[in-house]
Amino acid sequence: DTGVSQNPRHKITKRGQNVTFRCDPISEHNRLYWYRQTLGQGPEFLTYFQNEAQLEKSRLLSDRFSAERPKGSFSTLEIQRTEQGDSAMYLCASSPIKRGGNIQYFGAGTRLSVL
Amino acid sequence: AQTVTQSQPEMSVQEAETVTLSCTYDTSESDYYLFWYKQPPSRQMILVIRQEAYKQQNATENRFSVNFQKAAKSFSLKISDSQLGDAAMYFCAYRSLSNRDDKIIFGKGTRLHILP
Repeated sequence: DTGVSQNPRHKITKRGQNVTFRCDPISEHNRLYWYRQTLGQGPEFLTYFQNEAQLEKSRLLSDRFSAERPKGSFSTLEIQRTEQGDSAMYLCASSPIKRGGNIQYFGAGTRLSVL
Repeated sequence: AQTVTQSQPEMSVQEAETVTLSCTYDTSESDYYLFWYKQPPSRQMILVIRQEAYKQQNATENRFSVNFQKAAKSFSLKISDSQLGDAAMYFCAYRSLSNRDDKIIFGKGTRLHILP
């Protein structure tokens, strides 16, 4: 069990460019979650998957954001036409599905800076 | 909608002393989970302790314990015998009991400094 892995750890981009982040969950974890954390704030939920299916999307996830989990394993989060307001830490988490609640295990995050 | 409030942006404690971090929340649900997560600088967030709302007994994990007051919607974290490695951002968080509503709602966090 190597934990939740996120790549890249840091991304600097110019406004208007597209960026894509990758998350590799803990093996055999059915659920995968994306959160966004801005400076001085707690993480905010963006979306989550159960296997390949995207079950919920936050209103924070504008049309410029898209997330996929094509084979129920790793996931990608793409931001199109980045804006300075997109600068944040993007966190991924995964969990098994268990009776009694799913504990989410977090990755170290991808820090995005939009210039 | 559920909300989580942490009113202490920063706290400091002397090494080996005890510190309590405060958290209040708001919900109309009767059953739910509450968590404290720790986020060290530049490292991933880890779960410190979890409380099921239907359990009256306060959760404990080694030097970490909670004071869960359901009627007051209060959920504080007590760290005993503070160590330098406890320095981190601490987030109080809420999750619905339903597996269909699986998102975690976080507070803004409390930055804890440990003074040697």
